[in-house]
Amino acid sequence: GDSVTQMEGPVTLSEEAFLTINCTYTATGYPSLFWYVQYPGEGLQLLLKATKADDKGSNKGFEATYRKETTSFHLEKGSVQVSDSAVYFCALQSYNTDKLIFGTGTRLQVFP
Amino acid sequence: SQTIHQWPATLVQPVGSPLSLECTVEGTSNPNLYWYRQAAGRGLQLLFYSVGIGQISSEVPQNLSASRPQDRQFILSSKKLLLSDSGFYLCAWTIAVRTVNTEAFFGQGTRLTVV
Repeated sequence: GDSVTQMEGPVTLSEEAFLTINCTYTATGYPSLFWYVQYPGEGLQLLLKATKADDKGSNKGFEATYRKETTSFHLEKGSVQVSDSAVYFCALQSYNTDKLIFGTGTRLQVFP
Repeated sequence: SQTIHQWPATLVQPVGSPLSLECTVEGTSNPNLYWYRQAAGRGLQLLFYSVGIGQISSEVPQNLSASRPQDRQFILSSKKLLLSDSGFYLCAWTIAVRTVNTEAFFGQGTRLTVV
């Protein structure tokens, strides 16, 4: 069945460091891919999305490219800030069934 | 605008008691509806989802069930709670348009403690 695998955390970085959080998926057909973020004490909110192969989603300096050949959707940011400290979830929505599944989440901690 | 309501926010129930958590969506028609359980280190575990009235897909065999008696109402139930049912439950909805997959909107969640 469909699944999402993302790297375990926590990821600890200094401010202005480069961030990569890996996400790979297994799915039939052509799913849509998402990154959601959960800031401390808040609910999940959409960070970015991509709906077809080679699409690049971007928002708030974060980027992720839909790579069908490697079934990946890695999240990157060139220079993280303390305010980026949060839990990041990779997600997949099946085109055929609308099922929406999430990875286990990766906690990012950014220190000044 | 669309809104999602989930209640109650917190709940403490004894083992063996029944459970009913309710989720309603306003401002849209025929949404996809989802129930998740969020646990530390396990992310969001999909429990049930529904693409229409009376249509329920179960993802994890367990002590829970779901129903969708109305288009914008999604209920999570149990006849007899177990200690292992404790957790944080989230309801979510998306637009049910196959060609345009959009973002999911989440309720505020219910913290369930089974004692």
